[in-house]
Amino acid sequence: AQRVTQPEKLLSVFKGAPVELKCNYSYSGSPELFWYVQYSRQRLQLLLRHISRESIKGFTADLNKGETSFHLKKPFAQEEDSAMYYCALKGGSGNTGKLIFGQGTTLQVKP
Amino acid sequence: GAVVSQHPSWVICKSGTSVKIECRSLDFQATTMFWYRQFPKQSLMLMATSNEGSKATYEQGVEKDKFLINHASLTLSTLTVTSAHPEDSSFYICSARDIRGPWETQYFGPGTRLLVL
Repeated sequence: AQRVTQPEKLLSVFKGAPVELKCNYSYSGSPELFWYVQYSRQRLQLLLRHISRESIKGFTADLNKGETSFHLKKPFAQEEDSAMYYCALKGGSGNTGKLIFGQGTTLQVKP
Repeated sequence: GAVVSQHPSWVICKSGTSVKIECRSLDFQATTMFWYRQFPKQSLMLMATSNEGSKATYEQGVEKDKFLINHASLTLSTLTVTSAHPEDSSFYICSARDIRGPWETQYFGPGTRLLVL
Protein backbone atom coordinates (compact mmCIF):
# COMPACT_ATOMS: atom_id res chain seq x y z
CA ALA A 1 0.00 0.00 0.00
CA GLN A 2 1.10 3.56 -0.66
CA ARG A 3 0.95 5.55 2.52
CA VAL A 4 2.45 8.57 4.25
CA THR A 5 2.52 8.79 8.02
CA GLN A 6 3.21 11.87 10.08
CA PRO A 7 3.07 10.64 13.66
CA GLU A 8 2.84 14.03 15.35
CA LYS A 9 -0.30 16.18 15.06
CA LEU A 10 1.33 19.03 16.92
CA LEU A 11 4.93 19.99 17.54
CA SER A 12 5.58 22.92 19.82
CA VAL A 13 9.06 24.39 20.21
CA PHE A 14 10.62 27.61 21.38
CA LYS A 15 12.18 30.09 18.97
CA GLY A 16 15.77 29.14 18.23
CA ALA A 17 15.28 25.47 19.07
CA PRO A 18 15.90 22.75 16.48
CA VAL A 19 12.91 21.27 14.72
CA GLU A 20 12.33 17.85 13.24
CA LEU A 21 9.01 16.98 11.66
CA LYS A 22 8.74 13.26 11.09
CA CYS A 23 7.50 11.58 7.95
CA ASN A 24 7.50 7.89 7.07
CA TYR A 25 6.26 6.41 3.86
CA SER A 26 5.27 3.11 2.36
CA TYR A 27 5.96 2.68 -1.34
CA SER A 28 7.30 -0.09 -3.53
CA GLY A 29 9.66 1.38 -6.05
CA SER A 30 11.59 4.61 -6.14
CA PRO A 31 9.68 7.21 -4.14
CA GLU A 32 9.35 10.88 -4.93
CA LEU A 33 8.69 12.87 -1.77
CA PHE A 34 7.72 16.42 -0.97
CA TRP A 35 7.07 18.72 1.93
CA TYR A 36 4.24 21.22 1.60
CA VAL A 37 3.49 24.05 4.01
CA GLN A 38 0.23 25.85 4.71
CA TYR A 39 0.50 29.11 6.62
CA SER A 40 -2.56 30.45 8.37
CA ARG A 41 -5.26 31.46 5.87
CA GLN A 42 -3.00 30.74 2.91
CA ARG A 43 -2.95 28.07 0.27
CA LEU A 44 -0.79 25.00 0.32
CA GLN A 45 2.63 25.63 -1.18
CA LEU A 46 5.60 23.48 -1.98
CA LEU A 47 8.42 23.79 0.53
CA LEU A 48 10.89 21.33 -0.90
CA ARG A 49 11.25 18.08 -2.80
CA HIS A 50 13.81 15.38 -2.17
CA ILE A 51 14.86 15.13 -5.78
CA SER A 52 16.28 18.65 -5.90
CA ARG A 53 18.06 18.46 -2.53
CA GLU A 54 17.30 22.13 -1.93
CA SER A 55 17.30 24.00 1.33
CA ILE A 56 14.35 26.37 1.56
CA LYS A 57 13.90 28.84 4.42
CA GLY A 58 16.56 26.89 6.31
CA PHE A 59 14.64 23.60 6.07
CA THR A 60 16.20 20.44 4.76
CA ALA A 61 14.94 16.90 4.33
CA ASP A 62 16.88 13.78 3.50
CA LEU A 63 15.36 10.69 2.01
CA ASN A 64 16.35 7.61 3.99
CA LYS A 65 15.27 4.60 2.00
CA GLY A 66 16.44 2.16 4.66
CA GLU A 67 14.16 3.71 7.26
CA THR A 68 11.56 4.80 4.66
CA SER A 69 11.66 8.27 6.14
CA PHE A 70 11.79 11.84 4.88
CA HIS A 71 12.01 13.94 8.02
CA LEU A 72 12.00 17.73 7.77
CA LYS A 73 14.61 19.55 9.81
CA LYS A 74 15.60 23.06 10.70
CA PRO A 75 18.40 23.88 13.14
CA PHE A 76 16.87 27.06 14.57
CA ALA A 77 13.11 27.57 14.45
CA GLN A 78 11.64 31.02 13.83
CA GLU A 79 8.19 32.25 14.85
CA GLU A 80 7.27 32.69 11.19
CA ASP A 81 7.77 28.95 10.70
CA SER A 82 4.54 28.33 12.60
CA ALA A 83 2.28 26.56 10.10
CA MET A 84 0.82 23.24 9.06
CA TYR A 85 3.31 20.95 7.34
CA TYR A 86 2.36 18.09 5.07
CA CYS A 87 4.60 15.34 3.79
CA ALA A 88 3.50 13.98 0.43
CA LEU A 89 4.40 11.07 -1.79
CA LYS A 90 3.92 10.99 -5.52
CA GLY A 91 1.89 7.85 -5.86
CA GLY A 92 -0.53 5.96 -8.01
CA SER A 93 0.33 3.68 -10.87
CA GLY A 94 1.90 5.08 -13.98
CA ASN A 95 2.74 8.74 -14.24
CA THR A 96 -0.51 10.19 -12.93
CA GLY A 97 1.26 12.77 -10.80
CA LYS A 98 -1.14 12.30 -7.93
CA LEU A 99 0.03 13.03 -4.42
CA ILE A 100 -0.68 11.07 -1.28
CA PHE A 101 -0.58 13.32 1.77
CA GLY A 102 0.24 12.56 5.36
CA GLN A 103 -2.06 13.72 8.11
CA GLY A 104 -0.10 16.90 8.64
CA THR A 105 1.81 18.31 11.61
CA THR A 106 1.11 21.69 13.10
CA LEU A 107 4.33 23.41 14.06
CA GLN A 108 3.99 26.00 16.75
CA VAL A 109 7.04 28.14 17.44
CA LYS A 110 6.75 30.02 20.69
CA PRO A 111 8.62 33.27 21.36
CA GLY B 1 5.64 30.03 -8.85
CA ALA B 2 2.60 29.50 -10.99
CA VAL B 3 -0.86 30.62 -9.93
CA VAL B 4 -4.03 28.60 -9.58
CA SER B 5 -7.33 30.28 -8.80
CA GLN B 6 -10.61 28.92 -7.53
CA HIS B 7 -14.04 30.42 -7.74
CA PRO B 8 -16.02 30.95 -5.65
CA SER B 9 -13.97 31.17 -2.48
CA TRP B 10 -17.02 30.31 -0.43
CA VAL B 11 -20.59 29.31 -1.14
CA ILE B 12 -23.70 28.61 0.90
CA CYS B 13 -26.47 26.62 -0.71
CA LYS B 14 -29.68 24.85 0.19
CA SER B 15 -29.86 21.09 0.45
CA GLY B 16 -30.74 19.52 -2.88
CA THR B 17 -29.20 22.18 -5.08
CA SER B 18 -26.07 21.83 -7.20
CA VAL B 19 -22.93 23.88 -6.82
CA LYS B 20 -20.17 24.39 -9.37
CA ILE B 21 -16.60 25.21 -8.37
CA GLU B 22 -14.06 26.40 -10.93
CA CYS B 23 -10.33 25.82 -10.89
CA ARG B 24 -8.11 27.76 -13.27
CA SER B 25 -4.41 27.69 -13.98
CA LEU B 26 -3.67 31.32 -14.73
CA ASP B 27 -0.24 31.28 -16.30
CA PHE B 28 0.32 27.76 -17.54
CA GLN B 29 -1.56 24.98 -19.25
CA ALA B 30 -2.46 21.98 -17.17
CA THR B 31 -3.55 18.75 -18.77
CA THR B 32 -4.02 17.34 -15.31
CA MET B 33 -5.73 18.90 -12.32
CA PHE B 34 -6.66 17.34 -9.02
CA TRP B 35 -9.56 17.84 -6.65
CA TYR B 36 -9.17 17.39 -2.91
CA ARG B 37 -11.42 17.61 0.07
CA GLN B 38 -10.17 18.79 3.44
CA PHE B 39 -12.02 18.41 6.71
CA PRO B 40 -11.20 20.73 9.63
CA LYS B 41 -7.76 20.08 11.05
CA GLN B 42 -7.35 17.07 8.80
CA SER B 43 -5.32 16.18 5.77
CA LEU B 44 -6.21 16.56 2.12
CA MET B 45 -8.12 13.66 0.69
CA LEU B 46 -7.75 13.22 -3.06
CA MET B 47 -11.15 12.92 -4.68
CA ALA B 48 -10.32 12.69 -8.35
CA THR B 49 -7.85 13.38 -11.10
CA SER B 50 -9.19 15.65 -13.81
CA ASN B 51 -7.79 14.99 -17.27
CA GLU B 52 -8.21 17.49 -20.09
CA GLY B 53 -10.29 16.04 -22.88
CA SER B 54 -11.10 12.78 -21.15
CA LYS B 55 -13.01 11.40 -18.20
CA ALA B 56 -11.90 12.08 -14.69
CA THR B 57 -10.42 9.30 -12.60
CA TYR B 58 -12.11 9.00 -9.22
CA GLU B 59 -10.58 7.64 -6.05
CA GLN B 60 -12.18 4.69 -4.35
CA GLY B 61 -15.28 5.65 -2.42
CA VAL B 62 -15.91 8.91 -4.28
CA GLU B 63 -19.23 8.95 -6.13
CA LYS B 64 -18.66 10.13 -9.68
CA ASP B 65 -22.34 10.96 -10.18
CA LYS B 66 -22.30 13.08 -7.07
CA PHE B 67 -19.10 14.96 -7.86
CA LEU B 68 -19.09 15.76 -11.57
CA ILE B 69 -15.77 16.86 -13.00
CA ASN B 70 -15.27 18.53 -16.34
CA HIS B 71 -11.88 19.55 -17.75
CA ALA B 72 -12.89 21.18 -20.99
CA SER B 73 -9.78 23.29 -21.55
CA LEU B 74 -6.13 23.29 -20.63
CA THR B 75 -6.68 25.97 -18.02
CA LEU B 76 -10.05 25.12 -16.50
CA SER B 77 -11.49 22.25 -14.51
CA THR B 78 -14.86 22.36 -12.79
CA LEU B 79 -16.26 20.34 -9.93
CA THR B 80 -20.03 20.21 -9.59
CA VAL B 81 -21.49 18.92 -6.36
CA THR B 82 -24.88 17.63 -7.42
CA SER B 83 -27.88 17.50 -5.10
CA ALA B 84 -25.77 18.76 -2.25
CA HIS B 85 -26.48 17.65 1.30
CA PRO B 86 -25.14 18.94 4.62
CA GLU B 87 -22.57 16.14 4.74
CA ASP B 88 -21.03 17.60 1.56
CA SER B 89 -20.09 20.71 3.48
CA SER B 90 -16.34 20.90 3.36
CA PHE B 91 -13.30 22.73 2.04
CA TYR B 92 -12.60 21.79 -1.56
CA ILE B 93 -9.14 22.40 -2.96
CA CYS B 94 -7.88 21.98 -6.49
CA SER B 95 -4.36 21.74 -7.80
CA ALA B 96 -2.86 21.91 -11.27
CA ARG B 97 0.04 19.86 -12.47
CA ASP B 98 2.82 21.92 -14.01
CA ILE B 99 5.18 19.78 -16.08
CA ARG B 100 7.36 22.60 -17.38
CA GLY B 101 10.90 22.79 -16.09
CA PRO B 102 13.16 20.07 -14.75
CA TRP B 103 10.66 18.78 -12.18
CA GLU B 104 6.90 18.75 -12.21
CA THR B 105 5.12 20.67 -9.51
CA GLN B 106 1.56 20.78 -8.26
CA TYR B 107 0.27 24.27 -7.59
CA PHE B 108 -2.70 24.59 -5.31
CA GLY B 109 -5.70 26.85 -5.40
CA PRO B 110 -6.86 28.78 -2.33
CA GLY B 111 -9.79 26.47 -1.75
CA THR B 112 -13.57 26.81 -1.76
CA ARG B 113 -15.57 26.50 1.41
CA LEU B 114 -18.96 24.93 0.82
CA LEU B 115 -21.72 25.06 3.39
CA VAL B 116 -24.91 23.17 2.62
CA LEU B 117 -27.89 24.12 4.76
